[in-house]
Order: sequence, then structure tokens, then C-alpha cells
Amino acid sequence: AQTVTQSQPEMSVQEAETVTLSCTYDTSESDYYLFWYKQPPSRQMILVIRQEAYKQQNATENRFSVNFQKAAKSFSLKISDSQLGDAAMYFCALLYNQGGKLIFGQGTELSVKP
Amino acid sequence: NAGVTQTPKFRILKIGQSMTLQCTQDMNHNYMYWYRQDPGMGLKLIYYSVGAGITDKGEVPNGYNVSRSTTEDFPLRLELAAPSQTSVYFCASSSPLLTTNEKLFFGSGTQLSVL
Repeated sequence: AQTVTQSQPEMSVQEAETVTLSCTYDTSESDYYLFWYKQPPSRQMILVIRQEAYKQQNATENRFSVNFQKAAKSFSLKISDSQLGDAAMYFCALLYNQGGKLIFGQGTELSVKP
Repeated sequence: NAGVTQTPKFRILKIGQSMTLQCTQDMNHNYMYWYRQDPGMGLKLIYYSVGAGITDKGEVPNGYNVSRSTTEDFPLRLELAAPSQTSVYFCASSSPLLTTNEKLFFGSGTQLSVL
């Protein structure tokens, strides 16, 4: 069975500092994709960053980057220069089954202190 | 642009009752999903659909049924409500998730209590 695990229910970071959110996953699929989504109070899921499993290079998107360790099935998100607007619930997600099945981890609530 | 609309927002059921959670989207999305979110447990996929007439089971499908007769609508049916189905239910829709302009939208949720 495919699973996604986020072991940090809550994290806190000082404004302008760097924080890393952890995610591990398990899948028997060879073709899959990993995502980090941000969920503000509006509940709309906002894509933060995406990683294709077949790519060895870690994805980056401005202040956001991932550390993708395929053998260890680890997919952590690093947020640099944290801003107040980064405060939200962050979900790690796994997409498989030819792009149709999307499952989420438990989420990490990130707070940013001014 | 309404996005993803879920009804009702709140509902209390008695054990054994049945109900349908409605979900509709006006963005012409092919992909639609039903999740339940229990406290501290994250989102669990119940059923999903990749287009009208096509549905498939997710992680926790037992006790639920779905149909997808149109692109816009993806109702979730609870036949014999049980206390274990007390949860917050979210419907979501998306454009194909592997495109560069993919969008994933969630409804506002339905809080269901089974007593």
C-alpha cells in the first residue's frame, strides 16, 4: 500500500530564518510524483513544489527547495528566508496510478514568528 | 466563478441512516476526489474519478459509494452511517496534475457527525 507520513504536526520558524519540513513515503510504483501543498485557512490547496521520481535533481522554486532521497523514500521541504505569509498547513502528497491517485500526509502546521 | 461547491456544510446523522454529500465544480476539471480528514490524521482518499463515467477506490472506500455521470458532479453516498464515519469530508477537483499549470481546488468541507 502507498503511504505518506509527516512526523511533525507543528513547526515554528523565525521570520527570515530557514525551516525544513519532513516527509517520508512508501510506494511500490516505479512511476510516481511527489508534491508539497500549502493550505491556508481558505482551504484551497496551493502547489508549492513538485518532484518527478525519475529525476535525480532536487526541485527548487524560488525560496522553496526539496531534498529528495529516493532510496530512503524521503522528501523534505526547505523554506529559506521565511516570511509571515508562509504560515499555513503544509501537506506532502504522492501521485501515482498513472497520474490519477493522489494521497496526502497528515500535514504540518507551520507558524512564522516576526 | 464558484469553484468547488459542497453541500451540506454540516449534518448530524443517526446510526444506520443514509445520505448523499453533493459536490459540483464549474471549472471543467476531469479529476475529482473525495477525502475525509480526521483530527491529526491528515487527508484520506475515499474515491476518485478521472472523468465522467470513471471512478476508482482510494485508501478508505468501505462504507461509501460514488458516481460520476457528468463532468461537474461527483456525489458521495453513505448507505448505513456508522460512528466511525464521523469526520470532515472534502471534495476536490483538478486539471491534470502533471501539467505545468495544474490547479487543485478543494471545497469548503462537510462536517458530518454520526450519533
